Amino acid sequence: KAGVTQTPRYLIKTRGQQVTLSCSPISGHRSVSWYQQTPGQGLQFLFEYFSETQRNKGNFPGRFSGRQFSNSRSEMNVSTLELGDSALYLCASSFGTDLHEQYFGPGTRLTVT
Amino acid sequence: TQLLEQSPQFLSIQEGENLTVYCNSSSVFSSLQWYRQEPGEGPVLLVTVVTGGEVKKLKRLTFQFGDARKDSSLHITAAQPGDTGLYLCAGDGSGTSYGKLTFGQGTILTVHP
Repeated sequence: KAGVTQTPRYLIKTRGQQVTLSCSPISGHRSVSWYQQTPGQGLQFLFEYFSETQRNKGNFPGRFSGRQFSNSRSEMNVSTLELGDSALYLCASSFGTDLHEQYFGPGTRLTVT
Repeated sequence: TQLLEQSPQFLSIQEGENLTVYCNSSSVFSSLQWYRQEPGEGPVLLVTVVTGGEVKKLKRLTFQFGDARKDSSLHITAAQPGDTGLYLCAGDGSGTSYGKLTFGQGTILTVHP
């Protein structure tokens, strides 16, 4: 079974720009979650989508948004990028029921200059 | 806001030594997961513990969930260089936080040959 894939793997953007990251979950998984990982803050939960609906949301500003498509693929968008948005963005999929065991992709390394 | 404190942050040991990583919170979690992450990759799920007092073994790794479901520990026996990596605990919230994973800051383990 193919794992979670994320594109692109690396991205360099300038302050003020916006960016869209993509995630394809494991086949059969209906839940997709996004996380931000930085050396200072660790791994922080952004949001979770299940069956195209946002089911959970972390404490991030509205510049961070996402969506999920009918095939469970998900995109995450960050508008008006700030230097502090530089991080590894991880997508994880799960069945979305009972135990929320996360299967992570390799991440997208975003650098904002 | 649910918080998970993980200790120690860094652990540098020789091959063959034993070690324990702790994960503590004042909040109750419906379940707790342990992940291991290597550079350039996403975290990989090691185990999920659900019941208070539960102990699970995975070869040389022993995981324990506290009786009150507020804390957990990971014990590695006879560590090997292949155990090197970032170990993360993650709690799945209860009540309105169900499905929202909270991660500890992580423990960077280095096992020297």
